[in-house]
Amino acid sequence: TQLLEQSPQFLSIQEGENLTVYCNSSSVFSSLQWYRQEPGEGPVLLVTVVTGGEVKKLKRLTFQFGDARKDSSLHITAAQPGDTGLYLCAGVGSNDYKLSFGAGTTVTVRA
Amino acid sequence: KAGVTQTPRYLIKTRGQQVTLSCSPISGHRSVSWYQQTPGQGLQFLFEYFSETQRNKGNFPGRFSGRQFSNSRSEMNVSTLELGDSALYLCASSLIGYGYTFGSGTRLTVV
Repeated sequence: TQLLEQSPQFLSIQEGENLTVYCNSSSVFSSLQWYRQEPGEGPVLLVTVVTGGEVKKLKRLTFQFGDARKDSSLHITAAQPGDTGLYLCAGVGSNDYKLSFGAGTTVTVRA
Repeated sequence: KAGVTQTPRYLIKTRGQQVTLSCSPISGHRSVSWYQQTPGQGLQFLFEYFSETQRNKGNFPGRFSGRQFSNSRSEMNVSTLELGDSALYLCASSLIGYGYTFGSGTRLTVV
């Protein structure tokens, strides 16, 4: 059982469309991180959100941390084929530094 | 600066054998974590080392062990390999409180 539930599991959209990936948990995290992983490589950190209610923007990507620090979302505007990949959310435990990952969302952006 | 280096990239072993994987963290990073990634289970936390001490441990059998050296380099060992140990093994290093930088992983195949 995953501590963090990600939805949807798969997402296939046309170039130019928007998408949102959700990450939910019943646990409180000291911070939450989003990673993107390409086949055969390790995950690459996109962002870390720390404060409840925090919103961070990274070009076309918007990340939000829930007020209670239990959930997060990733929104991509005007998706491009280069956004294709496995998106993973990960929570850092409040009492330890253990990083717990969600199962991931596979995003495919068609040209 | 150099990233996280994992060796070897690929490994094929026979059931019952043992294997040692190596990870060199980013210079200055004292925390090293290990993860197992499989299609069915996603990214599962194995253990974390900080200043040569194991600080956290995941729910893996005792066949999985690790250590960290004084230069922060880390190794993980799996004894008596089983077919189910086939996976991508990822190492990540971090400064406490910041995001994790992953290596490209070691793809272990047990036949």
